[in-house]
Amino acid sequence: EDQVTQSPEALRLQEGESSSLNCSYTVSGLRGLFWYRQDPGKGPEFLFTLYSAGEEKEKERLKATLTKKESFLHITAPKPEDSATYLCAVYSGGSNYKLTFGKGTLLTVNP
Amino acid sequence: DSGVTQTPKHLITATGQRVTLRCSPRSGDLSVYWYQQSLDQGLQFLIQYYNGEERAKGNILERFSAQQFPDLHSELNLSSLELGDSALYFCASSVVDSKETQYFGPGTRLLVL
Repeated sequence: EDQVTQSPEALRLQEGESSSLNCSYTVSGLRGLFWYRQDPGKGPEFLFTLYSAGEEKEKERLKATLTKKESFLHITAPKPEDSATYLCAVYSGGSNYKLTFGKGTLLTVNP
Repeated sequence: DSGVTQTPKHLITATGQRVTLRCSPRSGDLSVYWYQQSLDQGLQFLIQYYNGEERAKGNILERFSAQQFPDLHSELNLSSLELGDSALYFCASSVVDSKETQYFGPGTRLLVL
């Protein structure tokens, strides 16, 4: 069964203090890794999709990278509005049609 | 705005009751997915429908059922409700399957008293 572990569970940063969130996965054959942002009480908002090791994608202050065992979400010079829970999910395809989500990292950015 | 709509936003009901949650996918998306999110469990996949047919089942209880209609909207039916069914229920849609990005709706918050 696919497994996704995100670390840390919670992270507090000062505004402008860059850091990275980790998503480790165990799948039989990765066909896609997804990053979402979720604000309290809201639906997850899509950020990135990565399909193969070595792939990188950027959007504003966020950059996602992928290796064969894990993905990182790098946050450069974060702002308070970046505070949210960041979710990672994997899709392995085959007879397993579903996305498997990690439990998320709660990021708080203090001004 | 993801383009996925869900109604109602909030639902308060009593144990033993039955409720129906509704979801309209993004225009052009054929697959609809239902998820349950509780504080201790995270996002749990319940069921997927593709173009009206059930495609995949996750951790969905027998008391729960879903269907997708010809206009592609979907309904999740929850019956014999228990206190532990209180959670956020999300619908997501994608063009075909989970290899593509799933776009999530705003969710329905269910409170069972």
